[in-house]
Amino acid sequence: EVQLVESGGGLIQPGGSLRLSCAASGFSVSNNFMNWVRQAPGQGLEWVSVIYTGGRTFYADSVKGRFTISRDNSKNTLYLQMNSLTAEDTAIYYCARDTMDVWGQGTTVTVSS
Amino acid sequence: AIQMTQSPSSLSASVGDRVTITCRASQVIRNDLHWYQQRPGKAPQLLIYRASSLQSGVPSRFSGSGSGPDFTLTISNLQPEDFATYYCLQDYNFPWTFGQGTKVE
Repeated sequence: EVQLVESGGGLIQPGGSLRLSCAASGFSVSNNFMNWVRQAPGQGLEWVSVIYTGGRTFYADSVKGRFTISRDNSKNTLYLQMNSLTAEDTAIYYCARDTMDVWGQGTTVTVSS
Repeated sequence: AIQMTQSPSSLSASVGDRVTITCRASQVIRNDLHWYQQRPGKAPQLLIYRASSLQSGVPSRFSGSGSGPDFTLTISNLQPEDFATYYCLQDYNFPWTFGQGTKVE
């Protein structure tokens, strides 16, 4: 079964760092481009980042320079390293495959003192 | 960044209705436009990709059309499970951008 499972969310103080993980099963993250999408409480969807099969990465302006997307092919896992977190980063973070045809269940990040 | 303007932001409908949601792109995006459904408390689900292609497993009452700047998602014969929020997404240019969503209630 094709599945994505996120983990790593939690409560973090402003200025802190967090790394999200997205474990894939039923397909290889190395053979697909992979995305992170987030949704702030009560708000719409915001694309965050993508990593292509060749390793090229792109980011939303709101996270550029603070977030880093990566993957570990041996673990078939996608990551999002988040630094210098602010309250505006509070959201449910989803990973999604390709044209977002497969989504994880999401992991919640709350940035608050 | 390309702006995706969805309309309406919400609509009231009944089971059996035909519902149309529009997404307007602020510039050319070819057919790099996708539609998603999100039910409360759930992850989004892909309905339509490349403007008009029905994702596998999605009921045929969902259809997409348009080639820019206006794109349309149509739900014919609305079913109880279709009451949800719908989003469009352009992946023609970075940063990729979603519409603000349309809540069908």
